[in-house]
Amino acid sequence: KQEVTQIPAALSVPEGENLVLNCSFTDSAIYNLQWFRQDPGKGLTSLLLIQSSQREQTSGRLNASLDKSSGRSTLYIAASQPGDSATYLCAVRPRGSTLGRLYFGRGTQLTVWP
Amino acid sequence: SQTIHQWPATLVQPVGSPLSLECTVEGTSNPNLYWYRQAAGRGLQLLFYSVGIGQISSEVPQNLSASRPQDRQFILSSKKLLLSDSGFYLCAWSGKGLAGTYEQYFGPGTRLTVT
Repeated sequence: KQEVTQIPAALSVPEGENLVLNCSFTDSAIYNLQWFRQDPGKGLTSLLLIQSSQREQTSGRLNASLDKSSGRSTLYIAASQPGDSATYLCAVRPRGSTLGRLYFGRGTQLTVWP
Repeated sequence: SQTIHQWPATLVQPVGSPLSLECTVEGTSNPNLYWYRQAAGRGLQLLFYSVGIGQISSEVPQNLSASRPQDRQFILSSKKLLLSDSGFYLCAWSGKGLAGTYEQYFGPGTRLTVT
């Protein structure tokens, strides 16, 4: 069974810092990996999706990388802002999961203070 | 564009009472639909998924059930709620292999408190 771990569980940084969130998964046979953002009491917002054949994806100040062989992904946030404060979740879709089943990590709670 | 709705937004129910949570999707047809639960201190748990009308698969045996009476409607139900059913319930949809991604999109969620 696929297990997804996110480190650290919580992170508090001053505004302007560049930061890295980590995600690891136990089975490298994945189809893709998705990063989400969740604000308190809200649903999940998809940030980036990386196919297994890709090494990275970028959207604005966000850059997600994938090293499938080592079972790792990182989400890089450049020039962090207080509005980036949220919980960030990663999820993997295993190969053979034709129904799009995702396995989620427990998330990293990010606080960016002014 | 596609939109996913959930209601109610919040719900407080006594133990033993019934439950019905509704999810509808607009702007797409024949989606895969999913129900997740997010309990305090735990990750997202997939409860049910559906690939079409009347087709429901359960991931976790429990006192909850799901139904899909229409293509873009997904309902989560219980006949008798337990305290352990408290949590944040999220509905999601994905295409059927849009460019091979099955990228999932989530609704705003329902906060259920069982007292």
